[in-house]
Amino acid sequence: DAMVIQNPRYQVTQFGKPVTLSCSQTLNHNVMYWYQQKSSQAPKLLFHYYDKDFNNEADTPDNFQSRRPNTSFCFLDIRSPGLGDAAMYLCATSSGDRERETQYFGPGTRLLVL
Amino acid sequence: DQQVKQNSPSLSVQEGRISILNCDYTNSMFDYFLWYKKYPAEGPTFLISISSIKDKNEDGRFTVFLNKSAKHLSLHIVPSQPGDSAVYFCAGNQGGKLIFGQGTELSVKP
Repeated sequence: DAMVIQNPRYQVTQFGKPVTLSCSQTLNHNVMYWYQQKSSQAPKLLFHYYDKDFNNEADTPDNFQSRRPNTSFCFLDIRSPGLGDAAMYLCATSSGDRERETQYFGPGTRLLVL
Repeated sequence: DQQVKQNSPSLSVQEGRISILNCDYTNSMFDYFLWYKKYPAEGPTFLISISSIKDKNEDGRFTVFLNKSAKHLSLHIVPSQPGDSAVYFCAGNQGGKLIFGQGTELSVKP
């Protein structure tokens, strides 16, 4: 089955210790997204890749970086996690049809910062 | 500035009855709207969508209604089932970017 996979499902890190979350997809979609979701809030878009083109949201902190080495994989790097970065991180993909954009989500990685 | 709002954080419905989840938006540039369903510890799952040029889209037990003049959309689930218990997010699409509401937690009681 075509799908979006996120690893790990749960990640514990220490304050200030860099952490990397990974996402892979078998849908062969052009676009990959990273969202941050805190409890009882809407998922918030951090950035997305359209193929190799990186698109950062204006209010995404510099602490958050991303890499997309190939079509299938995308990584979220948090350079110096703070307590406020504890959240669910969701990866999503879409084919790139901007007018009829359906995004398909992975199961998420829950990040805990100690 | 919250462009998509779901004003009811929770909704409880009896099994077999209709569930109506509401969503309001402020951005008139949205051209496409989607509903997602999310179970605990899982990612959102796409449920149903509607183009801004339509006022209704139906898929089985799920129907989405769009009232552009009121900037309001709603999701109807008929009949509701216990397995429908989840958090439902509406989202507006503008140029490939989705803006989500905060979600409504639906509880369907047997």
